[in-house]
Amino acid sequence: DAGVTQSPTHLIKTRGQQVTLRCSPKSGHDTVSWYQQALGQGPQFIFQYYEEEERQRGNFPDRFSGHQFPNYSSELNVNALLLGDSALYLCASSQGLGYGYTFGSGTRLTVV
Amino acid sequence: GDSVTQMEGPVTLSEEAFLTINCTYTATGYPSLFWYVQYPGEGLQLLLKATKADDKGSNKGFEATYRKETTSFHLEKGSVQVSDSAVYFCALTSNQAGTALIFGKGTTLSVSS
Repeated sequence: DAGVTQSPTHLIKTRGQQVTLRCSPKSGHDTVSWYQQALGQGPQFIFQYYEEEERQRGNFPDRFSGHQFPNYSSELNVNALLLGDSALYLCASSQGLGYGYTFGSGTRLTVV
Repeated sequence: GDSVTQMEGPVTLSEEAFLTINCTYTATGYPSLFWYVQYPGEGLQLLLKATKADDKGSNKGFEATYRKETTSFHLEKGSVQVSDSAVYFCALTSNQAGTALIFGKGTTLSVSS
């Protein structure tokens, strides 16, 4: 049973560019949450998608946006990249809006 | 707002030593509390959880007790192994946070043989 799959695993972008990260949830899960983990810090909640709608959002600017598709997979988009956006981006899936999150291994984004 | 504070690391122990990683929280109401572990190059894995006061979560020899009077959820293990080397995160969810997890900064544990 595949867990949460994230792609790509690593990428390097230039300041000012845009990036799209992808997440496929664990089989049977319909909710996807995204977290940003800066180096040496704990993950910070970005937003959560359920039934193709953003249900909850953390304290992140509008440059961070997302989408959930009918097959429950999700994308995280970041526009106008800043050096400070360099981080590990984690996707977590769950069944419904409850707990029981399964995390992916993350996408390491480096902005230069 | 709600927050989690963990003891700073790194924590360096010899195999079979006793482990304690302190975690305290600030939250309104009755949060649920979690410990997650992150092995090198991997995502987070739920280690244990407790959803109400005095609950004890346990898994793989690790234990933590939800202490509302001291707002703490300290992680303990009686005898650590080299394979326990990882980063440990304390986290909570609460009425204010909704279903979002609020994490501490993490504590790095290094166990040597």
